[in-house]
Amino acid sequence: DAMVIQNPRYQVTQFGKPVTLSCSQTLNHNVMYWYQQKSSQAPKLLFHYYDKDFNNEADTPDNFQSRRPNTSFCFLDIRSPGLGDAAMYLCATSRDSKGREQYFGPGTRLTVT
Amino acid sequence: AQSVTQPDIHITVSEGASLELRCNYSYGATPYLFWYVQSPGQGLQLLLKYFSGDTLVQGIKGFEAEFKRSQSSFNLRKPSVHWSDAAEYFCAVGPNQAGTALIFGKGTTLSVSS
Repeated sequence: DAMVIQNPRYQVTQFGKPVTLSCSQTLNHNVMYWYQQKSSQAPKLLFHYYDKDFNNEADTPDNFQSRRPNTSFCFLDIRSPGLGDAAMYLCATSRDSKGREQYFGPGTRLTVT
Repeated sequence: AQSVTQPDIHITVSEGASLELRCNYSYGATPYLFWYVQSPGQGLQLLLKYFSGDTLVQGIKGFEAEFKRSQSSFNLRKPSVHWSDAAEYFCAVGPNQAGTALIFGKGTTLSVSS
């Protein structure tokens, strides 16, 4: 089945220690998104890639970076995680960027100690 | 400004009873409308979507939603709730002003009592 896969499902990192979260997709979609979702809140878009074009949300901290080496994979790098970065990180894909439906992965739960 | 409001933070419904979750939006044009469901510790699953055409749309798991332009609403309904429907439900509209992302509501938590 075509799907969005996130690894790992649970990640524990230390305060200030860089961490990378991974997302892959078999849908061959052009757009990949990264969302941050804190407890009992709606997902908040951090950035997205349309093909190789990177689009950062205005309020996304510089601490968050992303890479998309090919169509299938996208990575979220947190350079110096703080306690406030503990959250669920959701990867999503869509066929295009025109506000059509997005398909979400299961998420990675990040804990910062 | 574009926005989505889900007025009910938490709803409890008895198993077998009907369900309606409310969603109101503010949008300058005809939006794309979505309902997603999220079980604890999981990602979001698309329940249904509205782009155009028939204003009553059917989704997965027995859910349906009705687009009412005059009320700027897109309420989610299910005639008979099952215990497995307990989850967080998010309404979303798109695209945002940049023409890219979806705008999510804050979600409604559904509890199902036996």
